[in-house]
Amino acid sequence: EVKLVESGGGLVLPGASLKLSCIVSGFTFSDYWMRWVRQAPGKGLEFIGEIKPDGSKTNYAPSMKGRFTISRDNAKNTLYLQMSSVRSEDTATYYCARLGGIIDVMDAWGQGASVTVSS
Amino acid sequence: DIQMTQSPASLSASLGETVTIECRASEDIYNGLAWYQQKPGKSPQLLIYNANSLHTGVPSRFSGSGSGTQYSLKINSLQSEDVASYFCQQYYDYPPTFGSGTKLEIK
Repeated sequence: EVKLVESGGGLVLPGASLKLSCIVSGFTFSDYWMRWVRQAPGKGLEFIGEIKPDGSKTNYAPSMKGRFTISRDNAKNTLYLQMSSVRSEDTATYYCARLGGIIDVMDAWGQGASVTVSS
Repeated sequence: DIQMTQSPASLSASLGETVTIECRASEDIYNGLAWYQQKPGKSPQLLIYNANSLHTGVPSRFSGSGSGTQYSLKINSLQSEDVASYFCQQYYDYPPTFGSGTKLEIK
């Protein structure tokens, strides 16, 4: 069974940093591009960025470049999202997702990690 | 970025009815369109890709159609388990962008 489990969310002060993790199982992690997508409370979905299977390349949505860093550890089957200088607008549920092998669609998602930025 | 305009924002229909959700792209996306279903409190799940291809395990009452800039998701014989929000997403151009979602309720 394909499984993605995010962790590391919580309440964080404005300006602080936070690192989310996504541990996967049920598929060969090192074969797939992986993405992060977020959803503000009651809002739609927003693409953050993605990382190549071997970790050698990352792409980010222009609005996310600079404060978000995606990385992975294929030996640990884990995807990461480093968030820095967080602000209230970053309050959201953060999802990791697997990019389908042939088509650029997200065919498996985690349950999400909730991040609240507040003083 | 390609803008995705989704309508309606919310929809209420009776069990057994057929409903249609529309998605319009700001430019031609050449069928590079997916639909996702997000049940309350859950993560999104892929329904349809390439505008009209059903993802594995998705019931056949779901179907997608369209071309160019206009796409639609149709749900036949609405069931109670279809209560969810539905999002379109284009993947023709980078960055991938989503519609604002349609919340489907049972009347």
